[in-house]
Amino acid sequence: AQSVTQPDIHITVSEGASLELRCNYSYGATPYLFWYVQSPGQGLQLLLKYFSGDTLVQGIKGFEAEFKRSQSSFNLRKPSVHWSDAAEYFCALAGGGADGLTFGKGTHLIIQP
Amino acid sequence: KAGVTQTPRYLIKTRGQQVTLSCSPISGHRSVSWYQQTPGQGLQFLFEYFSETQRNKGNFPGRFSGRQFSNSRSEMNVSTLELGDSALYLCASSWGVENTEAFFGQGTRLTVV
Repeated sequence: AQSVTQPDIHITVSEGASLELRCNYSYGATPYLFWYVQSPGQGLQLLLKYFSGDTLVQGIKGFEAEFKRSQSSFNLRKPSVHWSDAAEYFCALAGGGADGLTFGKGTHLIIQP
Repeated sequence: KAGVTQTPRYLIKTRGQQVTLSCSPISGHRSVSWYQQTPGQGLQFLFEYFSETQRNKGNFPGRFSGRQFSNSRSEMNVSTLELGDSALYLCASSWGVENTEAFFGQGTRLTVV
């Protein structure tokens, strides 16, 4: 069965500091991978996606993620966070079938002034 | 271009009642998926529809059902509501099948009392 693990439930980062959110997946082949962000009471907004090709993908709001097949990871990074980045971040996997997205439990990002 | 629209945004129902939630996908999108989000279980796949056909269903009881209309709008129904059905229900639309980029609505917050 496919799965996504986000090891960090909460992360606190100072404004202006760099950020890395971890995501590990389990899947028998190369999956489609996504990062979504959710603000309180809102739906999910797609930050970036990896389907194939270049393993470093750029997304919106200055985010990027790197796919590492050998580590089964797809970590999200941002060089300098802003207070508006405080939110819940979800890593998700799609296996290419009709099983929908498999989500991690999410990482709650707190930005310190 | 309008995003994914879910109605209503908030709903309070009594145990044993039934409820119908609506989702209007982005114009031109033919695939609609539904997810349940709870603090304990996180985001879980309910079902996916494409061209009025249910392609797959997640691990939920038969009380959860859905349908898709010829204009791609979708509804999900939950019968005999239980307290544990309280959740944020998210709808996502995409252009095609096999988990191409999915766009989420803001969700319907269902509270069962």
